[in-house]
Amino acid sequence: AQSVAQPEDQVNVAEGNPLTVKCTYSVSGNPYLFWYVQYPNRGLQFLLKYITGDNLVKGSYGFEAEFNKSQTSFHLKKPSALVSDSALYFCAVRGFYGNNRLAFGKGNQVVVIP
Amino acid sequence: DAGVIQSPRHEVTEMGQEVTLRCKPISGHDYLFWYRQTMMRGLELLIYFNNNVPIDDSGMPEDRFSAKMPNASFSTLKIQPSEPRDSAVYFCASSLVGTDEQYFGPGTRLTVT
Repeated sequence: AQSVAQPEDQVNVAEGNPLTVKCTYSVSGNPYLFWYVQYPNRGLQFLLKYITGDNLVKGSYGFEAEFNKSQTSFHLKKPSALVSDSALYFCAVRGFYGNNRLAFGKGNQVVVIP
Repeated sequence: DAGVIQSPRHEVTEMGQEVTLRCKPISGHDYLFWYRQTMMRGLELLIYFNNNVPIDDSGMPEDRFSAKMPNASFSTLKIQPSEPRDSAVYFCASSLVGTDEQYFGPGTRLTVT
């Protein structure tokens, strides 16, 4: 079965500092990996995805993520955090084979401190 | 496109009543997903459809829950009878193909008293 682990409940970072949100995955075969962001009282919004190719994926709002197959990780990064980046971030995975269910992590609350 | 549309945005009902949540996916999308989000359990997939056909309903909690997709532009999630533990935010999402990113609606916040 596919699964995702987001080990930290909350990530606090000062505005202007680099932001990292960690994600590790477990899946049979090659993974499809996604990051979503959820602002208060809103639905999830797609940030970026890794399907194949370059291990560094660039997405919306200046975010990027690095796929590391040996460590089964897909950490989300942003070089300089903004207060407006404060939100709930979800990592998700599905396997290359099998059905189209996405397995979501529990989410990480990111708080950017002015 | 207006994105995924859900109605109502908020629903407050008494235990035992029937609740119907509605979703209009993005036009042209072949996949439709229903999720439930709570603080305790996080985001759970309840059921998903491909070309209006239910593919995987293993996440539906019990027989009180049912979902239909009568055509490509409309889906419902029904709870009958509702219970307080059903209180949650219910999201509908759609995608063009199974491997694509999913687009989420704004959600329906359900409160069962």
